[in-house]
Amino acid sequence: SQTIHQWPATLVQPVGSPLSLECTVEGTSNPNLYWYRQAAGRGLQLLFYSVGIGQISSEVPQNLSASRPQDRQFILSSKKLLLSDSGFYLCAWAQLQETQYFGPGTRLLVL
Amino acid sequence: AQTVTQSQPEMSVQEAETVTLSCTYDTSESDYYLFWYKQPPSRQMILVIRQEAYKQQNATENRFSVNFQKAAKSFSLKISDSQLGDAAMYFCAYRSSGNTPLVFGKGTRLSVIA
Repeated sequence: SQTIHQWPATLVQPVGSPLSLECTVEGTSNPNLYWYRQAAGRGLQLLFYSVGIGQISSEVPQNLSASRPQDRQFILSSKKLLLSDSGFYLCAWAQLQETQYFGPGTRLLVL
Repeated sequence: AQTVTQSQPEMSVQEAETVTLSCTYDTSESDYYLFWYKQPPSRQMILVIRQEAYKQQNATENRFSVNFQKAAKSFSLKISDSQLGDAAMYFCAYRSSGNTPLVFGKGTRLSVIA
């Protein structure tokens, strides 16, 4: 069966520091991968999605970036965090035409 | 662009009763998929139910069922015999066919009263 992992689970970072959140999927190959952000009490905002290694689509221009160095690995990064980057980050995977399944998420607090 | 609207920010239901959560969407496409996701306090998104637009029959998963009205672009979720564990945020989502991301509504917070 397929599983999706995210780490870290929780992160507290100072403003201006770098960020790296990792997402990996097991039990499937060539999945579509997604990064979402959810601010407190709000809905999900799609940040990036990828249909293959090295292929990244950005939905929202901001100081975040994403990379897919391996088939089942998706990384969300920032060179300098802003206060507004605080939130709950969810990674998801899906096969073509199929349902998206979500990871457990990462809580990021920027101080 | 497609949009999903959940007009009920909050709902409450008595334990063992039935509740219906509303969702409408806007699209010009004929082939698409609709989903309801549940987000409990742990904040992990859990799939509740899925509906393919080409299927006329409403999807059902145990106590959860949908009322899919394609012409009206409506996709409501009915929860029967509500349980305390059903308390969560519920998100309605839309996806076109192909490699397209989900479009989410803003969610409905459901409280279950014992």
